[in-house]
Amino acid sequence: AQTVTQSQPEMSVQEAETVTLSCTYDTSESDYYLFWYKQPPSRQMILVIRQEAYKQQNATENRFSVNFQKAAKSFSLKISDSQLGDAAMYFCAYRNNDMRFGAGTRLTVKP
Amino acid sequence: KAGVTQTPRYLIKTRGQQVTLSCSPISGHRSVSWYQQTPGQGLQFLFEYFSETQRNKGNFPGRFSGRQFSNSRSEMNVSTLELGDSALYLCASTRDNYAYNEQFFGPGTRLTVL
Repeated sequence: AQTVTQSQPEMSVQEAETVTLSCTYDTSESDYYLFWYKQPPSRQMILVIRQEAYKQQNATENRFSVNFQKAAKSFSLKISDSQLGDAAMYFCAYRNNDMRFGAGTRLTVKP
Repeated sequence: KAGVTQTPRYLIKTRGQQVTLSCSPISGHRSVSWYQQTPGQGLQFLFEYFSETQRNKGNFPGRFSGRQFSNSRSEMNVSTLELGDSALYLCASTRDNYAYNEQFFGPGTRLTVL
């Protein structure tokens, strides 16, 4: 069964600094999709960034980028120029058939 | 365009009762997925529907069931409620069942079982 591991339950970053959230997954499949979702406090979950496993190029969305290492089964999220609005729970997710989420990392942004 | 809506937002039930939760996807979206979110187990996939057919099912007992209607609205039902069913139930919709599609989540239904 596919599992997703986020080893950092909590992370903290200073406003305007850069932070990296870790995610590893376990799968025997070669074709799959990876996502980072953000769940702000008392607000709906929204997509941050996604990556197709067959694409070697790392995905980038403005201040958000990923480091996708397929052989290592690693999919980390880098947030540059952190803003107060980035404070949230971040979930890494793997999808082949159904969607599997990691336990989440709570990110705090300090002013 | 309106987002995903879920009703009711909060629900309190007692053990042994059954409950039905509703999800209205974004207009034009034909795929709906359901998730259970708890502090202990995190986010767990329940099932996915596309064009009224269940496409995938997570590892939950048969007490958890769902369906999708011709207008893409979906319901999930939990029978014989247990204390451990207390959770936030999230619904997410996508345009179709392509796995790479962004899922749009609703605000969730908070179920408390006493």
